[in-house]
Amino acid sequence: AQSVTQPDIHITVSEGASLELRCNYSYGATPYLFWYVQSPGQGLQLLLKYFSGDTLVQGIKGFEAEFKRSQSSFNLRKPSVHWSDAAEYFCAVVGYSGGGADGLTFGKGTHLIIQP
Amino acid sequence: DAGITQSPRYKITETGRQVTLMCHQTWSHSYMFWYRQDLGHGLRLIYYSAAADITDKGEVPDGYVVSRSKTENFPLTLESATRSQTSVYFCASGSRTRGYEQYFGPGTRLTVT
Repeated sequence: AQSVTQPDIHITVSEGASLELRCNYSYGATPYLFWYVQSPGQGLQLLLKYFSGDTLVQGIKGFEAEFKRSQSSFNLRKPSVHWSDAAEYFCAVVGYSGGGADGLTFGKGTHLIIQP
Repeated sequence: DAGITQSPRYKITETGRQVTLMCHQTWSHSYMFWYRQDLGHGLRLIYYSAAADITDKGEVPDGYVVSRSKTENFPLTLESATRSQTSVYFCASGSRTRGYEQYFGPGTRLTVT
């Protein structure tokens, strides 16, 4: 079965500084990988996704992520964070069985705090 | 407006009562999903559906029932609510043609007293 690990429960970054959120996955084949963001009291919004091809993918709000098969990682980055980026971030992988998708497996999330 | 909606947004119920959470999407996505979100556990899949009249269990299905008679609706029923089912419930939809990326509803906060 697939799994996702987000090693950092909380990360604090100063406004304007760069950001990297870590994600490691376990999956036998080429994974479909996602990053979602959740603001307090809100649903989840898709930031970006990786299916195949270029290992550096661009998303919304200035985020990017790099897929590294050798490290089983899909880390999220942003060159300069804004106070509005404070939120919970989830990495996820699609699971498959019987030829069809059977839902997303999520990491437990990383809570991003932005210091002024 | 197109999108995915959930109702009610907030619900308080008593132990032992039946509760149904509604989910409606307007994209005609073939796949729909129910997740629950709890502190310390992240989001966990309860049930999913690949098409109308096709449903399957996820990671934590016990105590829940789903049905999908129409593509756009995917209700989740707690047949006899327990305190352990106090949680935030998210519905999502997606399609194979978009690599199974999922779009989430705003969530239903359920409290079982």
